Amino acid sequence: SQQGEEDPQALSIQEGENATMNCSYKTSINNLQWYRQNSGRGLVHLILIRSNEREKHSGRLRVTLDTSKKSSSLLITASRAADTASYFCATYDISGGYNKLIFGAGTRLAVHP
Amino acid sequence: ETGVTQSPTHLIKTRGQQVTLRCSSQSGHNTVSWYQQALGQGPQFIFQYYREEENGRGNFPPRFSGLQFPNYSSELNVNALELDDSALYLCASTLEAASYEQYFGPGTRLTVT
Repeated sequence: SQQGEEDPQALSIQEGENATMNCSYKTSINNLQWYRQNSGRGLVHLILIRSNEREKHSGRLRVTLDTSKKSSSLLITASRAADTASYFCATYDISGGYNKLIFGAGTRLAVHP
Repeated sequence: ETGVTQSPTHLIKTRGQQVTLRCSSQSGHNTVSWYQQALGQGPQFIFQYYREEENGRGNFPPRFSGLQFPNYSSELNVNALELDDSALYLCASTLEAASYEQYFGPGTRLTVT
């Protein structure tokens, strides 16, 4: 089952514009992570935000977390064509005594030159 | 680069056949997780191995099985392949089972005809 649900499912923008993707999740979390995937290949970890953090920055990425609404957003500023990829949020399920990532269905971002 | 490799890159099998996918984790990482990602979906957790024993399993039937070896390599075996098994299979290694940092390989694209 999917824990996080991303919105929108697809996003098409021009280079230089900002891209905002949203994620909602269902259960209590310790942290939430965002991953990037190019062309159906491996996942690249972008950023982790802990449940006691509200905002985190990494380069052109800004992630916010609202635990009261069980939602997070990823903002990519000044987008580039190379940012074209799918972006997934993921939370950790630690029930059963081990960590497993629960992913949403992802947002497919297309950045046009 | 995450230091995690997978082989083969692509594979085509016929329904009913068996397949073995391989993953080589980062040195020192004693935990490996496998995920299945259907087209257009987020990855779904299959199972996790910790120090050569299955540590946890997602909602996948027993025909999905795995092995982990002392040299940080692991295998995912799928018996009696079904058309719905067509997907990208990702392995991810972590330093310890409780670690939040998971390092993904590039994946194996399996097509079942």
